[in-house]
This record gives sequence, structure tokens and C-alpha cells, in this order.
Amino acid sequence: KQEVTQIPAALSVPEGENLVLNCSFTDSAIYNLQWFRQDPGKGLTSLLLIQSSQREQTSGRLNASLDKSSGRSTLYIAASQPGDSATYLCAIDSNYQLIWGAGTKLIIKP
Amino acid sequence: DVKVTQSSRYLVKRTGEKVFLECVQDMDHENMFWYRQDPGLGLRLIYFSYDVKMKEKGDIPEGYSVSREKKERFSLILESASTNQTSMYLCASSWQVTDTQYFGPGTRLTVL
Repeated sequence: KQEVTQIPAALSVPEGENLVLNCSFTDSAIYNLQWFRQDPGKGLTSLLLIQSSQREQTSGRLNASLDKSSGRSTLYIAASQPGDSATYLCAIDSNYQLIWGAGTKLIIKP
Repeated sequence: DVKVTQSSRYLVKRTGEKVFLECVQDMDHENMFWYRQDPGLGLRLIYFSYDVKMKEKGDIPEGYSVSREKKERFSLILESASTNQTSMYLCASSWQVTDTQYFGPGTRLTVL
């Protein structure tokens, strides 16, 4: 059974730093991996989707990588800003259902 | 832009009550989903629907049922609410099963 883990559960960094969020999964047989952002009181917003055949995707200051062989994905945020403060979740599309990590709560200090 | 709306942002109910949570999407999406989100556990799929009047159980369907009479509307029903159903409930929709999902703002349900 696919399991998805995100470590750490919370992270606090000063504004301007580059940072990496981690996501690991137990079964490499995946269709795609997605990174979402959740703001307090709001739903989830999709940030990046990496297909199984891809190694990375980029959107603005965000870059997500996928290494199926090691069961890892990273979300790289460049030049962090206070507006990046949110909970970041990764989800694995495995057999047409999303399996979710518990998320990393990110706080960017001004 | 895709818009997914949920009928209530906050809801307080008593044990044993029948509870309806409604979700509407405006993009003619085929697939709709109901999740619950609890601290430290991430999102868990309750039910999903890939067509009108079609539904499939997710990972935690016990104590819940769903209704999809129209393509744009997907309702989650708690037949007899219990305190362990206190949670954040999130609705989502997608065009195809492997497409990204679009989420509503969530309903925070408290069962007393």
C-alpha cells in the first residue's frame, strides 16, 4: 500500500532564503505526483504536477523534482517571501486515487 | 477559473443528527471527490464519483453516504453524526481522473 511522508511537519525560515520541502513515498509505481498549497481557511491550490515520465517541473520560483527510484520528491522555493507561508502537501496519483502526505507547515519570517 | 463551492464554511451539529454537506462545481467536471482532513493524517478519501449517479467508496466510507443527482453537485451525507466525524471536509473536482483536482474552501464540522 502506498504511503506518503513529509518531513519536517513544520519549518520556519527567514525571508529571502532558498528552501527545500521533502516528500517520500513507498511504491515507485505512480502515475504522477502533485504539490499543493493550503492557506488557513481556504482550500488547496495545485502548484505543480509531475508526470511519472518527467524528472522535474518549474513554475516561477518553484521547482519540483521527482526521483521514482528513490521514492522522493522535493519542492524547491527560491528567494522565499512572507506570502509563501502556508502548508504544503504532496500527493501521489497511484491507481487513479490521490494518496496524501500530512503536509509541511512553512512559516517565512519577515 | 474553476470554482468549487461548499455550502457551509463552519457547521456545528449534535450527535445523532443527519448532516448534509453540499459541493457545487461550475466547470462541467466529470469527477468529484469528498475528503476529510485531520491534523497529522493528511487528506483521506471518503467517496468519489466519476459520473452522474455513479459513486465509489474511498478509503474511509464508513458512516458516510453520497449523492450525485446532477453533474455539478456532489453531496456528502452523515446519516447519524458522531463525535469522531468532527473534521475538516474538502470537496474537489477534476476533468479526468488523472488531472489535477480543484478544491473548495472546506467545511469545518464540529459534532457535539
